[in-house]
Amino acid sequence: AQSVAQPEDQVNVAEGNPLTVKCTYSVSGNPYLFWYVQYPNRGLQFLLKYITGDNLVKGSYGFEAEFNKSQTSFHLKKPSALVSDSALYFCAVRPSGAGSYQLTFGKGTKLSVIP
Amino acid sequence: NAGVTQTPKFQVLKTGQSMTLQCAQDMNHEYMSWYRQDPGMGLRLIHYSVGAGITDQGEVPNGYNVSRSTTEDFPLRLLSAAPSQTSVYFCASSQSTLRQGTPKETQYFGPGTRLLVL
Repeated sequence: AQSVAQPEDQVNVAEGNPLTVKCTYSVSGNPYLFWYVQYPNRGLQFLLKYITGDNLVKGSYGFEAEFNKSQTSFHLKKPSALVSDSALYFCAVRPSGAGSYQLTFGKGTKLSVIP
Repeated sequence: NAGVTQTPKFQVLKTGQSMTLQCAQDMNHEYMSWYRQDPGMGLRLIHYSVGAGITDQGEVPNGYNVSRSTTEDFPLRLLSAAPSQTSVYFCASSQSTLRQGTPKETQYFGPGTRLLVL
């Protein structure tokens, strides 16, 4: 069975500082990995994904994530945090290949960027 | 494209009532799914479908039914609502393709339906 761990329920960072939101996963075979962001009372917005290729993935709003197979991690990063980045962030995983579309989500990490 | 649409946006039910949450997509995606989001739990898969006429259970299917008579629509039915089904429900659709040997995946979530069962 696949699983995702987001070890921090909340991350606080000062505006302008770099931010990291951690994610580790467990899946059979090669993973497809995703990050989503959710603003209050809104749906999920796709940020970025790792399917194959370069381990460093760049996504929307200046976010990036690095796939580390040996550590089974896919941490989300941004060089300089904005107050508007404050939201709930979800990491998700599914096995690669057709017919395995079911995503497993982490419990989410609330990011608060302090002015 | 409208993407993934969900109706209603908000619903209040009494225990024992039934209702259907609607989900539609206009992207011709084969795969559609329903998730529920509860505080501290992330999103959990209820049911999914890999194409018209094909559905299967996810992690938390009890109390819910689905059908997929067309590619576009994937309604979620609550047969007899219970307070434990108070949640926010998200529908999603996705498609995986190969382009020049490289897998590509597109995935979209609907805006959600907030359900309160009294």
